[in-house]
This record gives sequence, C-alpha cells and structure tokens, in this order.
Amino acid sequence: DAGVIQSPRHEVTEMGQEVTLRCKPISGHNSLFWYRQTMMRGLELLIYFNNNVPIDDSGMPEDRFSAKMPNASFSTLKIQPSEPRDSAVYFCASTYGGRQETQYFGPGTRLLVL
Amino acid sequence: GENVEQHPSTLSVQEGDSAVIKCTYSDSASNYFPWYKQELGKRPQLIIDIRSNVGEKKDQRIAVTLNKTAKHFSLHITETQPEDSAVYFCAASSYDKVIFGPGTSLSVIP
Repeated sequence: DAGVIQSPRHEVTEMGQEVTLRCKPISGHNSLFWYRQTMMRGLELLIYFNNNVPIDDSGMPEDRFSAKMPNASFSTLKIQPSEPRDSAVYFCASTYGGRQETQYFGPGTRLLVL
Repeated sequence: GENVEQHPSTLSVQEGDSAVIKCTYSDSASNYFPWYKQELGKRPQLIIDIRSNVGEKKDQRIAVTLNKTAKHFSLHITETQPEDSAVYFCAASSYDKVIFGPGTSLSVIP
C-alpha cells in the first residue's frame, strides 16, 4: 500500500496566486481530513469528508479556502488568492470509519507564500 | 468550545529515564484517544491508542492510561532512547469531532 499521497511536496508562490493542493487517500478509506500545521497554531483541522461529502468545514479559515472531493480517491484544497499568512504545512489524512479511527497522514505539502 | 489541553509543552529527559505526557479533554462524548508521534520534518504517525472501554493499554515501552471520570489520559514512555525525540500529539475523538492537543516536544539526551 502506497499510503496517503500528496502533491506537490513543496510549493512556493507569490501573494495573490491560486494554489491547489492534492491528496489521494488510502484505497478503501472512506474518510478524509485536511489539516494545516504551523508553529504558532499547531495542527488545525480544516475540513472533514466522509464518503466524499463535506461533513465539517468549520475549520476553513475563510472564503479564500475551498476543498472538493469529486471521488473516493482524490481531493483538492484550493487557496485563492493566497496570502503570506497561509504559509504552513498542509496535511491530508484518511481513515476507514470516520473520526474515531486511526488517521493515516500523508507526507504533507510545505507551502510558502511570498 | 471543546478543547484538549496537553502538558508539558516541552520535556527533556536523560536517556533511559521515563517520560510522561498528560492530556485533558472537555467533550464528554469522546471515546477514542490516539497518540501520534511527529519527527522533525515528517508526518504524524500513530504510536498507540485507547478506547473508552479500556483503562490502560501497553505496547512494549509505551503505555497509555485513561481516566474517563476525570477526563484525562496520559502517555508513558519507559527506558527512553534518543530516537524517541519528537513532538507527541494527543487527540480526543467522538462520533462528530476530533480535537488534537497542542503537542509536546520531547528531547531525550544521550
């Protein structure tokens, strides 16, 4: 099993540009989470999907952030327009069975917005 | 809102000593309590977990204890080794919520 796959691993962009992060969960997992990690704020849950449906997006910072899960094997997190304060490591994680199961994290995308 | 507190935020121990990290949660509906280890520049990975119907669980040098009445749970690492140095996160999960603690940075001094 390849585990959770994320791309790109690193992204450097300029303020105002659109950024798209991608995630492929573990095959057979039906729950997907997007997190943002910074030194100041720790690990923040942005959005949670179950069976491709967004269940909890209360952690999405603002309208500049959007996430989709068009099928069971792919999800995107988009930031438009990006700002320097969006610089962070973004993790995707998946589970089989929802929030009360082990989360398997991807390697993360390190985003730097200049 | 619901939250998870974690203490200490940093911990330094001598190799071979024990380390204890404590978490307190507020959501009484929480029934799944995992611990994740994150090495520098790496992803968080599960090291041990416990469910609310169990008071203690052990896996080699790592153990977790849960006190549901007091709403706290602890991670115990015995015979610490330099490779145990990392950030450790606790989490409290219920059917409709998962909340991570802020993390504990553990340093094991050779």
